Amino acid sequence: DVKVTQSSRYLVKRTGEKVFLECVQDMDHENMFWYRQDPGLGLRLIYFSYDVKMKEKGDIPEGYSVSREKKERFSLILESASTNQTSMYLCASSLGRGEGNSPLHFGNGTRLTVT
Amino acid sequence: DQQVKQNSPSLSVQEGRISILNCDYTNSMFDYFLWYKKYPAEGPTFLISISSIKDKNEDGRFTVFLNKSAKHLSLHIVPSQPGDSAVYFCAASAAYNAGNMLTFGGGTRLMVKP
Repeated sequence: DVKVTQSSRYLVKRTGEKVFLECVQDMDHENMFWYRQDPGLGLRLIYFSYDVKMKEKGDIPEGYSVSREKKERFSLILESASTNQTSMYLCASSLGRGEGNSPLHFGNGTRLTVT
Repeated sequence: DQQVKQNSPSLSVQEGRISILNCDYTNSMFDYFLWYKKYPAEGPTFLISISSIKDKNEDGRFTVFLNKSAKHLSLHIVPSQPGDSAVYFCAASAAYNAGNMLTFGGGTRLMVKP
């Protein structure tokens, strides 16, 4: 079974702090994604990556950046946290681009509160 | 504007009855559709999918129907069980996003009463 692990379940940060959310997958998947989930808005894509050191903007990249130095690890960075970034953050992975429509496998999420 | 919409935020159904969850989309380039289930404090898990070349896909108690002309899909759960109580997300992707980039709907909370 694919395991996607997010390092923190809950985080509380202050406005202006730099925040790192870490995600590791153990199935050698090429694709990794960061989503945020907000009530009524579903899951919205922040950034994704097809390969090491590659990144692409999703639908709502503003205020975020990402890092993928190793295939199994995808980090989401909030350069200067703001209260409107309070949300549930979900990391996911899937097989490579040539693998057709393979489902996403999600981690259990990190609930971030910015005060 | 949301390209994938689930217009019912919640649905309550009696155990043993059918649950029908609906989803509408606007992007005619979408050609692959998925349903995910999410329990509290857990990540979404893949439930069932359908390609646009089909109009129905069945997996046990779960069936997904696709009406391309109406840009509408639905998930049927028969019979519904209390363990099915969760938030269900509809998602869609397009062939040009072969990297599995999904667009999600807002979710429907299903409550199955014993």
